[in-house]
Parts: sequence; structure tokens; C-alpha cells
Amino acid sequence: NAGVTQTPKFQVLKTGQSMTLQCAQDMNHNSMYWYRQDPGMGLRLIYYSASEGTTDKGEVPNGYNVSRLNKREFSLRLESAAPSQTSVYFCASNGGPNTEAFFGQGTRLTVV
Amino acid sequence: GDSVTQMEGPVTLSEEAFLTINCTYTATGYPSLFWYVQYPGEGLQLLLKATKADDKGSNKGFEATYRKETTSFHLEKGSVQVSDSAVYFCALSRVRGTALIFGKGTTLSVSS
Repeated sequence: NAGVTQTPKFQVLKTGQSMTLQCAQDMNHNSMYWYRQDPGMGLRLIYYSASEGTTDKGEVPNGYNVSRLNKREFSLRLESAAPSQTSVYFCASNGGPNTEAFFGQGTRLTVV
Repeated sequence: GDSVTQMEGPVTLSEEAFLTINCTYTATGYPSLFWYVQYPGEGLQLLLKATKADDKGSNKGFEATYRKETTSFHLEKGSVQVSDSAVYFCALSRVRGTALIFGKGTTLSVSS
């Protein structure tokens, strides 16, 4: 039972490079999320998808784009990476309002 | 808007000490409340939850009671162990919408 799977686990980018973080869940959840975790800031919501075919901005969407490819997969793209995007990124999913979220293991991204 | 405030850390305790981590929230309506735990190098995992006022969530010796009158959901454990060392996040689920809103996290360090 894999749950939420994120790839890659670690990545180093140069400023200006692009990359896509992949996320897949096998729990048949409707909703999926991307958070970033920074020291002293907790988890901040970047984008979310309440259901297949919809995406919405969260608290810190600037510099990111997302794609809900199908019900299982939700990717996060950095078009032109900046040092301020150095962070740990978590993908999560849940079945709907007021339900617990399940998290992936995280992607540690460093932009130099 | 909805928000979660939890006590600043780090919290440093000796093994078998009593633990309290304070959490208060601001939200419209009746959100569900959660405590998540993050062990070093891992993603977040649900520790306990409560979905309505006066509910008590419990797991692994941890407890928290949903207090609507004080808008609080404080985490407690009677006797902590070294293995409890981790970061603890309080979170709420919006009444409208599916995303979880997190506090900034509290780092707990337990020494033997």
C-alpha cells in the first residue's frame, strides 16, 4: 500500500532552471495538495486540486504551476527556479472536507 | 481567515516528563482539528484528530480535546519517551474546502 509517492526525493537546481515534481496517490482521493515547509514557517499551501480537473491557488503560488493529470497524479512545476524556492516540498491527498490528509515523504529542493 | 497558532519551540524535556503543546485556532463554523507528527527526514503522519466540540482524540498515549469555548486543541502526554522527539503540527480543516491549515510546528526534544 504505497499511499502518496513523490519523486524525486532530492534535487539541486541552478537559478533559472526548470523542473517538475511528481506526485501520485493510490487511495482514490479526490483532493490533492502541494505544500512547502520552511524553518519557522510551518507548512504553507502552494496549490491544491479539490477534484480532478480543477486547480486553485493556495497561500504562496507565485513561481509555481500545477497540473492535475488525472485522479491519481498532481504535478508541481517550477518554470524558472529561484533561491527563494529552496525548501522541502510535500504532496498530500485526502478524500474531502474534514478528512485527514496523507502525506508523501517530501522532496528536498535546493536552488543555487 | 482561518488560522492556527501553536506554541513556539523548541520544547526540551526529560524522559517521563509531562508534555503540553498549546494550540489555538481561528475559524468560522466547526472545523475538524488534527495533530500531525513529523519524525526526522520523514513526511507528516496523523497523530490524532477530533471532528466536533468536546471530542477527545487519542493515540500512542497522546490526547487532545476539542474546546470550542476556548478555540483550543492542546496536545498532552503524561510521560514522554525519547522516541517522541519530533516536530508536532496542529492543523484544522476548513468547513468550506478541503485543504488543511497548519500551525508553524513545535519541535520536541526528549532526553534520557
